[in-house]
Amino acid sequence: DTEVTQTPKHLVMGMTNKKSLKCEQHMGHRAMYWYKQKAKKPPELMFVYSYEKLSINESVPSRFSPECPNSSLLNLHLHALQPEDSALYLCASNPGQGRGPDTQYFGPGTRLTVL
Amino acid sequence: AQSVSQHNHHVILSEAASLELGCNYSYGGTVNLFWYVQYPGQHLQLLLKYFSGDPLVKGIKGFEAEFIKSKFSFNLRKPSVQWSDTAEYFCAVNAKGSQGNLIFGKGTKLSVKP
Repeated sequence: DTEVTQTPKHLVMGMTNKKSLKCEQHMGHRAMYWYKQKAKKPPELMFVYSYEKLSINESVPSRFSPECPNSSLLNLHLHALQPEDSALYLCASNPGQGRGPDTQYFGPGTRLTVL
Repeated sequence: AQSVSQHNHHVILSEAASLELGCNYSYGGTVNLFWYVQYPGQHLQLLLKYFSGDPLVKGIKGFEAEFIKSKFSFNLRKPSVQWSDTAEYFCAVNAKGSQGNLIFGKGTKLSVKP
């Protein structure tokens, strides 16, 4: 099973809402990632979790709050977003350092629209 | 800092034409190299990757890429494209021994005319 799942597929929220994106993998991977992809642009790294610990935060605004409750799950909590935060949010996983081929597997993404 | 350059923003080909998409990277250390494809409305899929060994790597759907270390290049090729190859193609790198996070090029949109 080389699948990364993400829910929901689509999300529309107002600027005052609080919502969460969810990502799950059952490949035993110990590194998980959040990327943001705007239309016609490449994915840009937001966060990296390694062994359930946040290891990279690419200067992402605090209205995005990641959480890794266990080795299979990665959440992205959203609060007080701006319309310019509308994008495709991609989750990816990787075996982790020293644990296997350094290849990332991407989920299908959550398409977020902020009104 | 690492960076990845993809020279072509949009490539338009007829079916059966040959394809070569350029990718150059900038990094002082050893890297892993990847090509991902994103079909319209779909998620990123790995086409092929290079970690070490034979610099000519073969991927899925008839794609191949050649790593030329002296040129810091990892160009993607396919001898004969099909209409179904219409997609966005991203070259990406990560540094060996890093957290594995990928640096992507800006992407090349390939349009294949039937």
